[in-house]
Amino acid sequence: AQSVAQPEDQVNVAEGNPLTVKCTYSVSGNPYLFWYVQYPNRGLQFLLKYITGDNLVKGSYGFEAEFNKSQTSFHLKKPSALVSDSALYFCAVSVSYNTDKLIFGTGTRLQVFP
Amino acid sequence: DAGVIQSPRHEVTEMGQEVTLRCKPISGHDYLFWYRQTMMRGLELLIYFNNNVPIDDSGMPEDRFSAKMPNASFSTLKIQPSEPRDSAVYFCASSLFGGTGETQYFGPGTRLLVL
Repeated sequence: AQSVAQPEDQVNVAEGNPLTVKCTYSVSGNPYLFWYVQYPNRGLQFLLKYITGDNLVKGSYGFEAEFNKSQTSFHLKKPSALVSDSALYFCAVSVSYNTDKLIFGTGTRLQVFP
Repeated sequence: DAGVIQSPRHEVTEMGQEVTLRCKPISGHDYLFWYRQTMMRGLELLIYFNNNVPIDDSGMPEDRFSAKMPNASFSTLKIQPSEPRDSAVYFCASSLFGGTGETQYFGPGTRLLVL
């Protein structure tokens, strides 16, 4: 079965510190991986995606993610967190047998403290 | 572009009433998706369309739910009759194409409360 897991419900980090939001996946074939962010009372906003090529993907607002095939992971990172980064983050994977569809993780709430 | 537009943003109704949620996708996008978000079940895909044709409705919870896309710029999700367990945030998303790696763009959502 295709799945994506976000093992942490919440991540707390001090402003200015690096942040990591974890994501692991399980798919048949090559994965196509996404990160979205959701601010309160808003829809999901696309941050970045991995399709192929360079394992380090750069996205919006200074975020990046590293695809690691051996660890089946796609962790979201940022070198220096901002209070305004506080939001709900979702990892998603394209389903290999039907690549129109995305399967979303349960989300990780990032709280950045001043 | 204005992005994906959804209406209403908030809906409060009583059990048994009909509810209609509306979505206008980004112009030129061929795919439209309806999702439901709840605390218990997270983000679930309900149904999606390609060129106004429903492709996969396996996520539609039951016959009380129906979705239509009469043209490329408009879709509705209807719940009849509504029940308290339908309370959730419903998102519409669209993408330019389908297939591998295509980015979906989400609307702001409709927050539905069924009393």
